[in-house]
Amino acid sequence: DVKVTQSSRYLVKRTGEKVFLECVQDMDHENMFWYRQDPGLGLRLIYFSYDVKMKEKGDIPEGYSVSREKKERFSLILESASTNQTSMYLCASRWTSGGYEQFFGPGTRLTVL
Amino acid sequence: AQSVTQLDSQVPVFEEAPVELRCNYSSSVSVYLFWYVQYPNQGLQLLLKYLSGSTLVESINGFEAEFNKSQTSFHLRKPSVHISDTAEYFCAVSDRRFASGGSYIPTFGRGTSLIVHP
Repeated sequence: DVKVTQSSRYLVKRTGEKVFLECVQDMDHENMFWYRQDPGLGLRLIYFSYDVKMKEKGDIPEGYSVSREKKERFSLILESASTNQTSMYLCASRWTSGGYEQFFGPGTRLTVL
Repeated sequence: AQSVTQLDSQVPVFEEAPVELRCNYSSSVSVYLFWYVQYPNQGLQLLLKYLSGSTLVESINGFEAEFNKSQTSFHLRKPSVHISDTAEYFCAVSDRRFASGGSYIPTFGRGTSLIVHP
């Protein structure tokens, strides 16, 4: 079974802190994604990586950065957390072809106080 | 840009009743279509997908979806729902026009909350 794991299920941080969210997949997928999920807004793409060290901005990249130094790991970084970044963060991975489905991690619920 | 519309944000239904969750997308070119389900406090998981061939696709737990190219729709149906089907359902579309590094970037709808009452 494909497994996508995220470093924390719940995280509480203070405004201005630097926050790291880690995602690891075990199926040698080329593509990895970071989304945020908010009620009524569905999933919004923050960043996408189609291979190691490659990244593309999604729909809402402002305030976020990413790192992909190894194929299995994709990190989301909040350089200076703000209260409007309180949300559920979902990581996903997939093989390159668009016909393949995404495999999602369980999510990290981040609260910024 | 591709857009995906899930017309109902919430669908309440009684157990054993039929249900239809609607999904329309904007692109008329070749697309791949997906339905994902999210149970409470979990990530999304694939329910079913359409890549090509028969326009009617089925899942192992009784859901089915029909690809309608002329109406650019991919509605999800189940003839008789169970309490355990209570979840959030997301429609997603991968369009070869929206690609990066050879990879299609999927677009998600806003989700439909299916609430099954006893």
